[in-house]
Amino acid sequence: NAGVTQTPKFQVLKTGQSMTLQCAQDMNHEYMSWYRQDPGMGLRLIHYSVGAGITDQGEVPNGYNVSRSTTEDFPLRLLSAAPSQTSVYFCASSYRTGNTEAFFGQGTRLTVV
Amino acid sequence: GNSVTQMEGPVTLSEEAFLTINCTYTATGYPSLFWYVQYPGEGLQLLLKATKADDKGSNKGFEATYRKETTSFHLEKGSVQVSDSAVYFCALRTDSSYKLIFGSGTRLLVRP
Repeated sequence: NAGVTQTPKFQVLKTGQSMTLQCAQDMNHEYMSWYRQDPGMGLRLIHYSVGAGITDQGEVPNGYNVSRSTTEDFPLRLLSAAPSQTSVYFCASSYRTGNTEAFFGQGTRLTVV
Repeated sequence: GNSVTQMEGPVTLSEEAFLTINCTYTATGYPSLFWYVQYPGEGLQLLLKATKADDKGSNKGFEATYRKETTSFHLEKGSVQVSDSAVYFCALRTDSSYKLIFGSGTRLLVRP
């Protein structure tokens, strides 16, 4: 059982480049989300989805796009990378009920130079 | 809105010491509460959870009790080990929003 799989694990981008962080889960979870983790700031929600075709913004959505065409996949797109987007990104998935836990991927460490 | 407040770290303890990491929350309705642990270079994994008032979650010697009257979910362990060194996150989730809201995390360092 693979759980939540994120790729790549590491990435270096130049300012202005675009890229897509991949996230896939095999647990048939309705709810998927993207967080970024910065020192001293915990995890901040970027975007989330409650099912295929439905996405919404979290607390720090600017500079990122998402789509959810299937239940399994929830890619995160950086449109034009900026140094402020240097961070560790985590994808998570769960059932769509408040008393269930989320499962996390291993993270993508992104550096924008 | 919903929020979680954790004690600032790092917390440095000697092996076999008693651990408490404080967590308080603000939420509308009746949230479920979680503790997640992040070991160096890894993603977050669930440590324990409690879904209603007075529930006690426990795992690997860690415990936390859901206290509605004090809106708290403090993490405790009677005797820490070097292998417990990690970052610990308190989090909440409600049925109305599904979002998992995290505290800022507390780094624990356990010395031999």
